[in-house]
Amino acid sequence: AQKVTQAQTEISVVEKEDVTLDCVYETRDTTYYLFWYKQPPSGELVFLIRRNSFDEQNEISGRYSWNFQKSTSSFNFTITASQVVDSAVYFCALRGQNFVFGPGTRLSVLP
Amino acid sequence: KAGVTQTPRYLIKTRGQQVTLSCSPISGHRSVSWYQQTPGQGLQFLFEYFSETQRNKGNFPGRFSGRQFSNSRSEMNVSTLELGDSALYLCASSLFQPNTEAFFGQGTRLTVV
Repeated sequence: AQKVTQAQTEISVVEKEDVTLDCVYETRDTTYYLFWYKQPPSGELVFLIRRNSFDEQNEISGRYSWNFQKSTSSFNFTITASQVVDSAVYFCALRGQNFVFGPGTRLSVLP
Repeated sequence: KAGVTQTPRYLIKTRGQQVTLSCSPISGHRSVSWYQQTPGQGLQFLFEYFSETQRNKGNFPGRFSGRQFSNSRSEMNVSTLELGDSALYLCASSLFQPNTEAFFGQGTRLTVV
């Protein structure tokens, strides 16, 4: 069975703080893909990143960075110098045999 | 380039009725997938289509069905609506398989009364 856990239900930070959103996954598939999506109040999901199971290279894109560790089955997402516009619900997702989303983490960035 | 378009944006239906939701993918995209989002169950995968063929299906009852047309537009149908079907239904399109970057529409908010 596949499962994605995002233990942090809600996080509040003050603008310019760094914040890390945790994602732990379970799968028996040897080939799989991991994703992060952002869902702002408007409702549509915005794709942030995709990682396949063979690529453990960490990635940085502007203020965003991702840490993929297969040994701990984690795919954590860090926002550096957070901004109010980062306030949203963030979903981690796993695609192997099926497509499974985590419950989401609601991030509130306060001015 | 137009994004993913879902129609209608809002819908109110009565228990027992059926409903059809529509999704127009980004031009050139051949893969469409559907998701249900509720406060209780979160985001759940419904099904995905590629070149008019259903490639994968989530764990939903047979009341939920879908199809994809030759122009890649997709529809999903829910028959015999139940109160628990009230949700935001999201559609995503990808160039090829959903393993690639998926672009989501704004969703259809279905309320069953």
